[in-house]
Amino acid sequence: QSVLTQPPSVSGAPGQRVTISCTGSSSNIGEGYDVHWYQQLPGSAPKLLIFGNKNRPSGVPDRFSGSRSVTSASLAITGLQAEDEADYYCQSYDRSLSASIFGGGTKLTVL
Amino acid sequence: EVQLVESGGNLVQPGRSLRLSCAGSGFTFEDYAMHWVRQVPGKGLECVSGISWNSGIIGYADSVKGRFIISRDNAKNSVYLQMNSLRPEDTALYYCAKGDSSSPRDAFDFWGRGTMVTVSS
Repeated sequence: QSVLTQPPSVSGAPGQRVTISCTGSSSNIGEGYDVHWYQQLPGSAPKLLIFGNKNRPSGVPDRFSGSRSVTSASLAITGLQAEDEADYYCQSYDRSLSASIFGGGTKLTVL
Repeated sequence: EVQLVESGGNLVQPGRSLRLSCAGSGFTFEDYAMHWVRQVPGKGLECVSGISWNSGIIGYADSVKGRFIISRDNAKNSVYLQMNSLRPEDTALYYCAKGDSSSPRDAFDFWGRGTMVTVSS
């Protein structure tokens, strides 16, 4: 069981908006550590999608956005496209574990 | 262009050891934290270990603490993972990832393609 909790799956039709939640605790997100998001396409290595809660690396479309509250974070994808079908992971740092941690991952299906 | 190339993955018997290597290029290696992340095929990602730019801060997942050792050689632009007392549950694809800062507490901005470790008798 992951320290960061994500829904196992979400889905949406092309053009729609979906959100993926990432729930942590007082020893990670609640401690103030940043949340980062990764996209993993089938058969590929993960790719950084959002860093520092809400920042996009160069080349990531602005359809992807991140937000964070006290002990949780969210990834929003607007204008859903078929190419967005992938696994998405949140990541943060945990003070109690003294290690970085990932959420369990969310499979996005574009209907 | 940033490149990370992992090597050392293999089929190994339970209880044996294996050393993974990751060679980085296209960036100033000594300025950044480095990480090992593993993924059982079809499953999620697990942070195995991370090391700061100067090896001053090191972290391990509870599942490998006491068995795995991360190290780096900035002169060789390389990071290593010494895996001892291997178990079948260590079977996974091991990725090397570059931190986006000198601290191992931040994001992983570039990833290698991974090297497969299979622990089986």
